[in-house]
Amino acid sequence: SYELRQPPSVSVSPGQTARITCSGDALPKKYAYWYQQKSGQAPVLVIYENSKRPSGIPERFSGSRSGTMATLTISGAQVEDEADYYCYSTDTSGKKVFGGGTKLTVL
Amino acid sequence: EVQLVESGGGLVKPGGSLRLSCAASGFTFSTYAMNWVRQAPGKGLEWVSAIDGTSSYIYYADSVKGRFTISRDNAKNSLYLQMNSLRVEDTALYYCARDLDSGGGYWGQGTLVTVSS
Repeated sequence: SYELRQPPSVSVSPGQTARITCSGDALPKKYAYWYQQKSGQAPVLVIYENSKRPSGIPERFSGSRSGTMATLTISGAQVEDEADYYCYSTDTSGKKVFGGGTKLTVL
Repeated sequence: EVQLVESGGGLVKPGGSLRLSCAASGFTFSTYAMNWVRQAPGKGLEWVSAIDGTSSYIYYADSVKGRFTISRDNAKNSLYLQMNSLRVEDTALYYCARDLDSGGGYWGQGTLVTVSS
């Protein structure tokens, strides 16, 4: 079955740039999406279609894709950005899948 | 304001059934695909099922195929998940989510399903 692979954890100091990667064989053909989930809350979309930012999401959040890897970048990470981040995409048959999640620590 | 409110969760024995509901408001429900996504305690997100706006296209994760049935009633702005033959491993917080495959993704707060004897 199709998998999206993420590192379990990423840690940065406040003001540094955090990069979270997501690897999947179908990513060259399928969009990647990124969701932020803070403790005890529902997920919130922060990046869609690889690099687009929904209204209301701070400009420090950006996305990119190169080959089989998508990357979520948080430029100048803030303490309030500490959360679990999940990538989401589909395989070539349309089956939907989430990555395993990455815990971002900002301290 | 977009709102998705799930209900119907609870404690059920293995082999039992539950029907989850999701009440939608603040947008034109019939024009959006809808999904159920679950999250086991302390674990990651798992997509469960999807249905398009007219119920023409329905998809299931392999883990629930044949046991769960997704449906919608556009006149009532409601999404449903009928869950049969429940297993301990189905224990999770079940989220209703709008249109995962666009910039319009929005999630409810979830309803907890516990399968235990």
